[in-house]
Amino acid sequence: DARVTQTPRHKVTEMGQEVTMRCQPILGHNTVFWYRQTMMQGLELLAYFRNRAPLDDSGMPKDRFSAEMPDATLATLKIQPSEPRDSAVYFCASGILHYEQYFGPGTRLTVT
Amino acid sequence: AQKVTQAQTEISVVEKEDVTLDCVYETRDTTYYLFWYKQPPSGELVFLIRRNSFDEQNEISGRYSWNFQKSTSSFNFTITASQVVDSAVYFCALVAYSSASKIIFGSGTRLSIRP
Repeated sequence: DARVTQTPRHKVTEMGQEVTMRCQPILGHNTVFWYRQTMMQGLELLAYFRNRAPLDDSGMPKDRFSAEMPDATLATLKIQPSEPRDSAVYFCASGILHYEQYFGPGTRLTVT
Repeated sequence: AQKVTQAQTEISVVEKEDVTLDCVYETRDTTYYLFWYKQPPSGELVFLIRRNSFDEQNEISGRYSWNFQKSTSSFNFTITASQVVDSAVYFCALVAYSSASKIIFGSGTRLSIRP
């Protein structure tokens, strides 16, 4: 049963620290997405890739967030420096073209 | 521009009642895909169904059924004989063909099933 995996599942850090979240998409999926979910904003698309190339990162605060796909089995989302307002659940999802996305379990980030 | 509206923020019903979650979408594309996702209390988002714009046939899967009507731009989801395990937030979503896979989610409907 193929699944998207994310690490870490939980992260507590202090303001100003760097945070790196990792995602392993489902093998064979060519599109990878990063989302952020908060109670106030709901689900927000931060960035996504197709065939490892960034397609859209307009949802990300550019000055502190960066997303990469070093290879087909790994996507990373970095926040540097982190701020309390970045506290949220970050989801990675993968899919094929326009079809359904399969979500990972999420990383719950708390920035104090 | 694409948009998905889930007007029902919260619904609460007693177990075994039928419940319908509404979803209205907007897009100018003639080719698009509609989805429903479930987010149980555990937090993970679970894919339930996909329909494409050329297939208006309704779908039934066990106690779940979906009614897709292009005339009203709606893609409603009905749970028959609801169970406590159906309690979750349900998201309707849209991908327009021209959007390069960018999915637009509705704001979600929180469904509570009371025993």
